[in-house]
Amino acid sequence: ELKVEQNPLFLSMQEGKNYTIYCNYSTTSDRLYWYRQDPGKSLESLFVLLSNGAVKQEGRLMASLDTKARLSTLHITAAVHDLSATYFCAVDSPYGGSQGNLIFGKGTKLSVKP
Amino acid sequence: NAGVTQTPKFQVLKTGQSMTLQCAQDMNHNSMYWYRQDPGMGLRLIYYSASEGTTDKGEVPNGYNVSRLNKREFSLRLESAAPSQTSVYFCASSERLAGWNSYEQYFGPGTRLTVT
Repeated sequence: ELKVEQNPLFLSMQEGKNYTIYCNYSTTSDRLYWYRQDPGKSLESLFVLLSNGAVKQEGRLMASLDTKARLSTLHITAAVHDLSATYFCAVDSPYGGSQGNLIFGKGTKLSVKP
Repeated sequence: NAGVTQTPKFQVLKTGQSMTLQCAQDMNHNSMYWYRQDPGMGLRLIYYSASEGTTDKGEVPNGYNVSRLNKREFSLRLESAAPSQTSVYFCASSERLAGWNSYEQYFGPGTRLTVT
């Protein structure tokens, strides 16, 4: 069974601290996507990681992909309150050919407190 | 450029009623998708359409039908709503990333549906 597992599912952290969210997947996909969702809002694309060893950074967030380990990480540096949201990782589904179908993890709800 | 739009934003149905959720995109994307989001479950694919005139089942298609009316529009129909279909429904469209066999999805604002 295809699985995309995020860890942790809930994360409460203080402003200024660093932390990492992990995304493990069970397929042989060499592409991985990170999305952000604010409460009551839609999903916004954060990063698209397209190959083994890919690393992308924007502001206090940095994402990386290790396809051999089937692992992606989302690292948060010096967290601020504005980063409070739910973060989803997703991989290409092996079903339906190459039409862009995604399998999502359950999401990590991040709360950054003063 | 509105991106992906969905109507309605909120809807309350009684068990057994039917309704259609509308989705449109103005980005000239070929592929479109319908997902449902339930607490603690992430997003699950209901149906997708790789191009105008084609539709295929996703992970959780039971109780739903779809129509790809044209390249812009992709509707989701609940023929006989059930409480288990209470959820937030997201429509998305995608484009192939240049030079890659990979797609980035763009999501609509969602429809919050409650079935009583």
